[in-house]
Amino acid sequence: DAGVTQSPTHLIKTRGQQVTLRCSPISGHKSVSWYQQVLGQGPQFIFQYYEKEERGRGNFPDRFSARQFPNYSSELNVNALLLGDSALYLCASSLTGYNEQFFGPGTRLTVL
Amino acid sequence: DAKTTQPPSMDCAEGRAANLPCNHSTISGNEYVYWYRQIHSQGPQYIIHGLKNNETNEMASLIITEDRKSSTLILPHATLRDTAVYYCIAINAGGTSYGKLTFGQGTILTVHP
Repeated sequence: DAGVTQSPTHLIKTRGQQVTLRCSPISGHKSVSWYQQVLGQGPQFIFQYYEKEERGRGNFPDRFSARQFPNYSSELNVNALLLGDSALYLCASSLTGYNEQFFGPGTRLTVL
Repeated sequence: DAKTTQPPSMDCAEGRAANLPCNHSTISGNEYVYWYRQIHSQGPQYIIHGLKNNETNEMASLIITEDRKSSTLILPHATLRDTAVYYCIAINAGGTSYGKLTFGQGTILTVHP
């Protein structure tokens, strides 16, 4: 069975630009969560979606937004990129969100 | 969710058991203890979780003290591929935390040949 997939694997953007990251969950999983991991730190929670509805949001500015599609895949959008947005963005899927989460390999975003 | 405390780093010889401790003295009755690990530059990997009973799977064993204030993750025969950052996380299985993972600094486990 395929695991969680994310695209692209790497991305380079300049300040002020917008970026869209994509995630496909494990088949049968209805919940997707997004995390940001800055170098040297543990992942920080951004969003969780379940059945296309936002269930929770972490302490991130409104420049960050996400959505989940009917096939349970998800997109994370970040507007007006800042240098500090450079990080590894991780997507995790789970059956309901309340149980164990399975992470994808991440998208490495570099903002210049 | 309860705060967890882990040692910043540990070493282990290849083939020996690695015992990683975690303190969660303020854990509540409906909070589970989850363990994840992150190998360099990869996404975190789920290892095991438990509520109050000891648990074992193909990867590891989880020992939770009777008062639930601490736990130990045991890798019975560590290999070089087990070198990673190990995270212990207390999660409320329901309610307002909706299973979100709050990662701390974790324990860097280095397995030596």
